[in-house]
Order: sequence, then structure tokens, then C-alpha cells
Amino acid sequence: SAVISQKPSRDICQRGTSLTIQCQVDSQVTMMFWYRQQPGQSLTLIATANQGSEATYESGFVIDKFPISRPNLTFSTLTVSNMSPEDSSIYLCSVGDWPGNTIYFGEGSWLTVV
Amino acid sequence: ELKVEQNPLFLSMQEGKNYTIYCNYSTTSDRLYWYRQDPGKSLESLFVLLSNGAVKQEGRLMASLDTKARLSTLHITAAVHDLSATYFCAVDGTGTASKLTFGTGTRLQVTL
Repeated sequence: SAVISQKPSRDICQRGTSLTIQCQVDSQVTMMFWYRQQPGQSLTLIATANQGSEATYESGFVIDKFPISRPNLTFSTLTVSNMSPEDSSIYLCSVGDWPGNTIYFGEGSWLTVV
Repeated sequence: ELKVEQNPLFLSMQEGKNYTIYCNYSTTSDRLYWYRQDPGKSLESLFVLLSNGAVKQEGRLMASLDTKARLSTLHITAAVHDLSATYFCAVDGTGTASKLTFGTGTRLQVTL
């Protein structure tokens, strides 16, 4: 199994600022993903963090707003740029253990933008 | 585009009763996941269903998958208050244990 640590766990941010969320996995994984969960909503995939290349973004998410880094097989960061109250969400890091079958989630980063 | 629908969105049930949550999805997939989320918490993995006809049970919860009907069910038997949470199904459209498309979630409230 994979253990995923996310930092920060919670933060209150000022409008217009940027915040970087870190995701650390205790083993090397091929695929890492970032999801957003807005208040009372389901989870939506933001992007796939690719090691050694640019992230692959889902429809509705752009690199300028959510830049992602993946410097190695155990670590990734997601930056939420120029934040507005609409960015108040839980941001979750996820990894798959292909060719295994399990998909793991971190504890999440709770962001409130004021 | 893969779409995943759950119903009901909200379920209030009495302790001791049985009920089923339904998860429908729009494209072919044989990998479906069920998660539980408690308020203020992340996701807890409940079941991974990997083939047509798969059935898994853990305690009072049983999940099944019918890939031909593109339907998964989560059956709750003799509900207890501790089962109160939000339940999500999620479909892996890639088949490689990677990115998931989530259902809308079902908020379950078990009352005494």
C-alpha cells in the first residue's frame, strides 16, 4: 500500500495570493493525480502529474491557474494561483499502484480563500 | 466523455433497515471503486470491483458490478448509525488503476 502525505492540511488564504500544496508518497509510483472537491460536491480531476514532463490537464483546468510539478516518482506539488473565494476547496493527491488495482488518496488540503 | 450518476443523492434511513445505492456510468469500464467520506475527512477505500459479476462484502456493506448494464450497487444491510457518511462510486475509464471519474455522492444518514 502507499502512504500519502499532504501539506498543508489546512490553510486560510488571502484573495489574490497563491499557495503550493505538496504531496509526498512513501514509495515510487508511476501516476499521480490531483483532484478538487468543492464544498458539498463530488471530486473532480484537475490533472495528471507526469514525471519528467508537463502535467496533463482536464477540461476546465489550465496550467496558469494550477501549475503542477513532478520532479521525481514520489513527490508532486500543485499551486493554486491568484486565488479567489471560488477556489475554496479540498485538494486531494491520489496515486495508482498499476499494475495493482488500488487507488490511494491523501488526507487532503483544506483551503479557504477570504 | 465518461459520466457517472449516483442515486439517491441523500438517504435517510432508520437503524436496522436495508437499502441500496445505485451507480450508473456511461461508457464501458470494468473497474469501479466505492469510497466512504466522513465529514472533514478524506476518502476511505471500501471496495474495488474489477470484473463483470464481481461481488464484495465487508460487514454490513456489499457491492456488486454489472458491466453490461453499466451499473454498480452498494447494498446496506441492517444499517447502524456508524454507517452515516457520504458514499462515492468512481469509475476508472482507463483500465490502469489511474484517474477516476466520480459519481455525485450519496449522503447517508442513519437515524435511531
